[in-house]
Amino acid sequence: SQTIHQWPATLVQPVGSPLSLECTVEGTSNPNLYWYRQAAGRGLQLLFYSVGIGQISSEVPQNLSASRPQDRQFILSSKKLLLSDSGFYLCAWSPPPPLHNEQFFGPGTRLTVL
Amino acid sequence: AQSVAQPEDQVNVAEGNPLTVKCTYSVSGNPYLFWYVQYPNRGLQFLLKYITGDNLVKGSYGFEAEFNKSQTSFHLKKPSALVSDSALYFCAVRDVSTGGFKTIFGAGTRLFVKA
Repeated sequence: SQTIHQWPATLVQPVGSPLSLECTVEGTSNPNLYWYRQAAGRGLQLLFYSVGIGQISSEVPQNLSASRPQDRQFILSSKKLLLSDSGFYLCAWSPPPPLHNEQFFGPGTRLTVL
Repeated sequence: AQSVAQPEDQVNVAEGNPLTVKCTYSVSGNPYLFWYVQYPNRGLQFLLKYITGDNLVKGSYGFEAEFNKSQTSFHLKKPSALVSDSALYFCAVRDVSTGGFKTIFGAGTRLFVKA
């Protein structure tokens, strides 16, 4: 069966420090991978998605970047964190098309920038 | 453009009563609709989806959803609510206009089930 891992679970970082959040998927090949941010426990904002190694699509210009160095690994990074980067970060994967495939979410990382 | 709306920020229901969480959508072409649930400090969990066929879709934990093409709605329902159903519920639509790689989520509806 497939599983998705995210770490760390919680993170407290000072403003201006770098960030690296990691997401890995097991039990599947060539997944579509996604990074979302959820603020204030409500709506999801799609940050990045990837359909293959090295292929990253950015949805919102901001202080973050993403990379996919391996088929089942997705990394969210920042060189200098801002206060506004605080939030709940969710990684998700879905099988390749057909389009009706649902997404499977990781447990999330709670990031607090002080 | 594809979109999905959840008109209620919060729904309150007594345990044992039926519940409905509303969702309306706007898509071009065939809609692929989903419901997800999120418990506190957790990731989202898939509940059910509509692809085609029967308008009543059954999913996990006793939930079901009714697809209504004329009203462009996909309301989530459960005949008898449990306190443990209290959570944040998201309706979503696959954005086929961009090749189907993205999913558009509603703002979420918080369900409170009172004992």
